[in-house]
Amino acid sequence: DGGITQSPKYLFRKEGQNVTLSCEQNLNHDAMYWYRQDPGQGLRLIYYSQIVNDFQKGDIAEGYSVSREKKESFPLTVTSAQKNPTAFYLCASSLGQGRVDNYGYTFGSGTRLTVV
Amino acid sequence: AQSVTQPDIHITVSEGASLELRCNYSYGATPYLFWYVQSPGQGLQLLLKYFSGDTLVQGIKGFEAEFKRSQSSFNLRKPSVHWSDAAEYFCAVGARSGNTPLVFGKGTRLSVIA
Repeated sequence: DGGITQSPKYLFRKEGQNVTLSCEQNLNHDAMYWYRQDPGQGLRLIYYSQIVNDFQKGDIAEGYSVSREKKESFPLTVTSAQKNPTAFYLCASSLGQGRVDNYGYTFGSGTRLTVV
Repeated sequence: AQSVTQPDIHITVSEGASLELRCNYSYGATPYLFWYVQSPGQGLQLLLKYFSGDTLVQGIKGFEAEFKRSQSSFNLRKPSVHWSDAAEYFCAVGARSGNTPLVFGKGTRLSVIA
C-alpha cells in the first residue's frame, strides 16, 4: 500500500546539534510539506515543495532547512538556530500544483522531537 | 490570503449525542474546504472535503459538513457520537488555484463521556 513514512517516531537532540527528520512517500505525489504542531497552535507550515529541486519557505522556516533531490523524499533538518525545536513534526504530500484533486493531503504519522 | 477559525478549543459530548464542530474561513472566493481528524500521536486523516456542487458533503465515519457561503462556514456534524470519535479535529482551507498550501485551523479537541 502507498503512503508516507516518517522516521524516527521519537527523536532526542542535545542543544546545539542539528538533526534530520526523514519523510518518504511512494504515492507518486509531486508536492510535499512539513508542518510543525504545538499544543493549541494547530499546524504551522515550515517548508513545502511543489516539484523536485524546488522548495519554498512557509510561515516558520527560520532555523529549518530542507532538500528535494528525489520525488519520493523531503527531509527536514532542524538546525541549532531553531530556538525552540521541541515539537511534533508532520510531513504530508499531495498530487501537486494545479491538479483538481491536489488536495486531500496524505499525512505521515509524525516525529516527536525533544531537545534534552 | 486565506485563514481559518475554529472557535471551540475543546468540546465534551456524551456518547450517543449529536455533535457540531464549527469552522469559519476567510477567503476572497469560494475555497476548497476540508476536515481532518487526528488521534493522539498520529498523523491527520481526511474526513471529508468540499470542492463544488452540493453544499452538504458526506465523509467517512458517519460525518458530514455543510458549506454555507453566506456565513463563510463549513461546520462538521455527526448525529450520534461514539467514544472512538474522541480526537482532535482540524478544518482547513485551500485556494482553488492550488498554488499555495492548505491553511489549517488550530483545532478542536473532542472528548466523549459515557
